[in-house]
Amino acid sequence: QVQMKETGPGLVQTTQTLSVTCTVSGFSLTSYGVHWVRQAPGKGLEWMGIIWGDGSTNYNSALKSRLSISRDTSKSQVFLTMNSLQTDDTAVYYCVSRGFAYWGQGTLVTVSS
Amino acid sequence: DVVLTQTPPTLSATIGQSVSISCRSSQSLLHSNGNTYLHWLLQRPGQSPQLLIYLVSRLESGVPNRFSGSGSGTDFTLKISGVEAEDLGVYYCVQGTHAPLTFGSGTKLEIK
Repeated sequence: QVQMKETGPGLVQTTQTLSVTCTVSGFSLTSYGVHWVRQAPGKGLEWMGIIWGDGSTNYNSALKSRLSISRDTSKSQVFLTMNSLQTDDTAVYYCVSRGFAYWGQGTLVTVSS
Repeated sequence: DVVLTQTPPTLSATIGQSVSISCRSSQSLLHSNGNTYLHWLLQRPGQSPQLLIYLVSRLESGVPNRFSGSGSGTDFTLKISGVEAEDLGVYYCVQGTHAPLTFGSGTKLEIK
């Protein structure tokens, strides 16, 4: 049974760095890529980036300068790191895999000054 | 970036009615490998999105067969044949052919 779960800080100050962890079970990170998708309150979905099964990454060009996605395959964890946060980074952050078939429940991150 | 334009933005339907949602792409979504990476998601209120249709017309496991997808190139359609109460929510198309991946702006389905 595939499960994905995001863990985040809840509240982050502006200009600080966000770190969110996605812990997966039921599949190997070397077999499937893991996307990060975010959704601002009341808004649509925004693709942030992906770490592929081979460990390579692709990023949304609008976020690329601030965003990093990495992983620890031994712990079945994927990490999202984004710096220079602003209030418009407030969103629910989801990790997603297998062609959008598997989603975590999301973690709400509020950026406040 | 590829722009996906979904219409209509909102849809109101009665139980049992059939409805369609359009997703038009600013570029062809046919990949050089022959696949078309256009998928449909449903986000019910307060829930994570779920995959309904992948690769234009393939029904995800466990999804009722009243959902169907069609289209090619730049024009795609999601059809619900006989809306049920549990179908309310926001429908998104998403493309994975061109980087960066992009989502449509969503279509909100309301039940009358």
